[in-house]
Amino acid sequence: GAVVSQHPSWVICKSGTSVKIECRSLDFQATTMFWYRQFPKQSLMLMATSNEGSKATYEQGVEKDKFLINHASLTLSTLTVTSAHPEDSSFYICSARDYQSSYNEQFFGPGTRLTVL
Amino acid sequence: SQKIEQNSEALNIQEGKTATLTCNYTNYSPAYLQWYRQDPGRGPVFLLLIRENEKEKRKERLKVTFDTTLKQSLFHITASQPADSATYLCALDLDDKIIFGKGTRLHILP
Repeated sequence: GAVVSQHPSWVICKSGTSVKIECRSLDFQATTMFWYRQFPKQSLMLMATSNEGSKATYEQGVEKDKFLINHASLTLSTLTVTSAHPEDSSFYICSARDYQSSYNEQFFGPGTRLTVL
Repeated sequence: SQKIEQNSEALNIQEGKTATLTCNYTNYSPAYLQWYRQDPGRGPVFLLLIRENEKEKRKERLKVTFDTTLKQSLFHITASQPADSATYLCALDLDDKIIFGKGTRLHILP
């Protein structure tokens, strides 16, 4: 199946700093990528839909100025957590939709563990 | 608003038995439903998709049913093995987005 990578796999930062997470589709083009956040023992919560060449669509309650999303190419989307605080510590997971597949399958990255001190 | 419920937060099953997980949804009319497996510290991995006009779908030891009248899907693992221990997530598509249930942590006891 298709592969989606994320970088870094984990990051520890100080409160107030910004952190960028990359999501890449390695063997297919993804016009649409999705960003999720998952707190311990909770489900994945969709944060935003990232569309190549246009602005991201954010879910209700997600601050677009805090979670900046850029989808500059068909294989790369980035999520920047600006002025991170301890409550932003979470597991961030991206996914990419392969519209060439018969099911429009969505493939998930391995996740990025963010810890804000 | 739409809601997805997976009835058990955790489930313990003896090795070799069949594990059955339940997913119920309300206020949805999904075109299809998906099941994913998630291991600790990892992203979800797609297992099976079943469409609204399909009653049952199988893949090796996995079987999924989809009852659009009851608004319920059942996920079965037959001849369960300790390696099947993981969290299993039910997911529905909504306006081209995938929305997940909270998941069921399955423990297969040797």
